[in-house]
Amino acid sequence: DIQMTQSPSTLSASVGDRVTMTCRASQSIPNSWLAWYQQKPGKAPKLLIYKASTLESGVPSRFSGSGSGTVFTLTISSLQPDDFATYYCQLYDAYWTFGQGTKVEIK
Amino acid sequence: DVQLVESGGGLVQPGGSLRLSCAASGFTFSTYDMHWVRQVTGRGLEWVSAIGSGGDTYYEDSVQGRFTISRDNAKNSLYLQMNSLRAGDTAMYYCARAGYCSSSTCYVLPFDTWGQGTMVIVSS
Repeated sequence: DIQMTQSPSTLSASVGDRVTMTCRASQSIPNSWLAWYQQKPGKAPKLLIYKASTLESGVPSRFSGSGSGTVFTLTISSLQPDDFATYYCQLYDAYWTFGQGTKVEIK
Repeated sequence: DVQLVESGGGLVQPGGSLRLSCAASGFTFSTYDMHWVRQVTGRGLEWVSAIGSGGDTYYEDSVQGRFTISRDNAKNSLYLQMNSLRAGDTAMYYCARAGYCSSSTCYVLPFDTWGQGTMVIVSS
């Protein structure tokens, strides 16, 4: 099975900061079937990005994804108050493995 | 609107059984792969099980042989029959929509729609 490892586990940042988090796969992910989700406490996850870099409809353009193979990144260009949440990466073909999450907290 | 609504969670004793349901609306349910994902309070997301539009099923190792996923396309509903429940199965359970098959092609898709979740507590 392919394992997904996210870093850092927690990220402290301020409103307006540019933040980047990383997701590493134990094997190369075919066709970049890699998604990013945002989850707030008590809520279901929300899809942000799929196929590594495609923004889901309605998601603000400050979110972007990049990467291929085994290393992928999620970047928030200017952190907004609504962005403080936990972010998960996920492989979604044949296996549906999630990373352990990166919590973005207020600095 | 596309919507998924879970039900059936609750308190059950170790070794007991529970059947979760997920009611779908706003899309052609029969053409989509469907999944169950769980989350222990304060922990990360864990994929549990999937059923393809063609009825093929998949399970995470720890639930294989204890959980059974099924679907009723006539009722636009997804189910998860959970038997031999353990304390470690205590979690919020979400259903989610994923891949799609037309008459000629299947598309690999992420989990673009999630339900609100139903809580399962396994305790004596």
